[in-house]
Amino acid sequence: EPEVTQTPSHQVTQMGQEVILRCVPISNHLYFYWYRQILGQKVEFLVSFYNNEISEKSEIFDDQFSVERPDGSNFTLKIRSTKLEDSAMYFCASSARTVGTDTQYFGPGTRLTVL
Amino acid sequence: RKEVEQDPGPFNVPEGATVAFNCTYSNSASQSFFWYRQDCRKEPKLLMSVYSSGNEDGRFTAQLNRASQYISLLIRDSKLSDSATYLCVVPGGGYNKLIFGAGTRLAVHP
Repeated sequence: EPEVTQTPSHQVTQMGQEVILRCVPISNHLYFYWYRQILGQKVEFLVSFYNNEISEKSEIFDDQFSVERPDGSNFTLKIRSTKLEDSAMYFCASSARTVGTDTQYFGPGTRLTVL
Repeated sequence: RKEVEQDPGPFNVPEGATVAFNCTYSNSASQSFFWYRQDCRKEPKLLMSVYSSGNEDGRFTAQLNRASQYISLLIRDSKLSDSATYLCVVPGGGYNKLIFGAGTRLAVHP
């Protein structure tokens, strides 16, 4: 069964450093998402991406965050200057059609630890 | 009212028990609803989709009450492997995102 993959599984970084989280969505999917989950809290939406542009972003997704689909397979989330409060599990997801009409498949996540 | 609200639990039940979780949502225009399962430190995985009044899949039944804006998940004949957090999920306006509840934790014991 096709699956979403994410690398790395765990990233440790110093506050103020830039990190790039990588995702490979399911190959025929057109809609891509990033969510995050702070330990002990609920899953929160960050950003959705379709047709090479952001469809929607949350208040969390400020100027420190950016997303990119650099080639036909990867989808990346960049945090320019990490803060302690960015420590969380980051999940990438993809779907063939829009939310509500198709299942979103989640990757296994990248655990980001900011020291 | 929160966008999606769930009883956090935990629900501690013996194997074989029937357990039900409720979830309320605020957006009366929502047309589809989902129950996801999340194991500790893992990704959410789709358990069931609910597009009309309800859905049944083996031991799992989801029901929707649009008038009261709540969704329920019933698990019959609980197994140890059902121990997890169950997330009630609703599409956001514009259908560009999913909105997650905080989850209800289930622990099934022998």
